[in-house]
Amino acid sequence: IAGITQAPTSQILAAGRRMTLRCTQDMRHNAMYWYRQDLGLGLRLIHYSNTAGTTGKGEVPDGYSVSRANTDDFPLTLASAVPSQTSVYFCASSDGQDNSPLHFGNGTRLTVT
Amino acid sequence: GQNIDQPTEMTATEGAIVQINCTYQTSGFNGLFWYQQHAGEAPTFLSYNVLDGLEEKGRFSSFLSRSKGYSYLLLKELQMKDSASYLCAVMDSNYQLIWGAGTKLIIKP
Repeated sequence: IAGITQAPTSQILAAGRRMTLRCTQDMRHNAMYWYRQDLGLGLRLIHYSNTAGTTGKGEVPDGYSVSRANTDDFPLTLASAVPSQTSVYFCASSDGQDNSPLHFGNGTRLTVT
Repeated sequence: GQNIDQPTEMTATEGAIVQINCTYQTSGFNGLFWYQQHAGEAPTFLSYNVLDGLEEKGRFSSFLSRSKGYSYLLLKELQMKDSASYLCAVMDSNYQLIWGAGTKLIIKP
C-alpha cells in the first residue's frame, strides 16, 4: 500500500540522548516535511526538503537536523534531546505542486524525560 | 505576524449541519486547505480553495472569501465518524503552509 511509514510509533527518551525518527515514502514525491504537533498549537514545520539532496529550515529547526540522501527517506535527528521536544512528530510528503495536498505518516509520539 | 484563527471546539448533533470558520492574516495568499484529523491519527486532506466561492465534495463543502480573509468548512448530514479535529492551513506568498490550531468537533447522538 502506497504511503508514508514512520518509525518508531512511540518512544520514551532520556534527556541528553540522541534519537533518529525514520520516515520513508513510496509515492516518489519530491517534497518531504517534518512537523511537530503540540496541544493547542497548529502544526509547526521543523525542516523540509524540496528534492533529494536539498534541505531547508522551517519555523522551529533548533535542536533538529535532517538529511535527504534519496527520494524515499527523510530521517529527523535530535542530537541531544530536551524535555521541550516532547511532542508528536509527523512526516509528510507532496509532489511539490502548489495546490498538492500533503500526505502524512501516522506520527511518532516522543516523550523526553 | 501571520495568524490563523479557528474555534477551539464545537458540538453538533448527528444528522445536523455544522459550519467551522477559519479567518486568516498572512503575508500573501496562495491557497487554503482543510484537513481532518481523528484523535491519535494523521491529518488527511479534505479540500483546497484558491478562488472565491464554494467547492462542494459530497457531504463536505468549503467556502473562501479572499477579500475577507475568511473560509468555512460545511459538514452536512453529520455522522458519528465525523467527530474529529478540522485543521485550516493557508499557503502564504513564500508557498509555506501556516496552520491553525484546529477545531475539535464533537458529534452527539
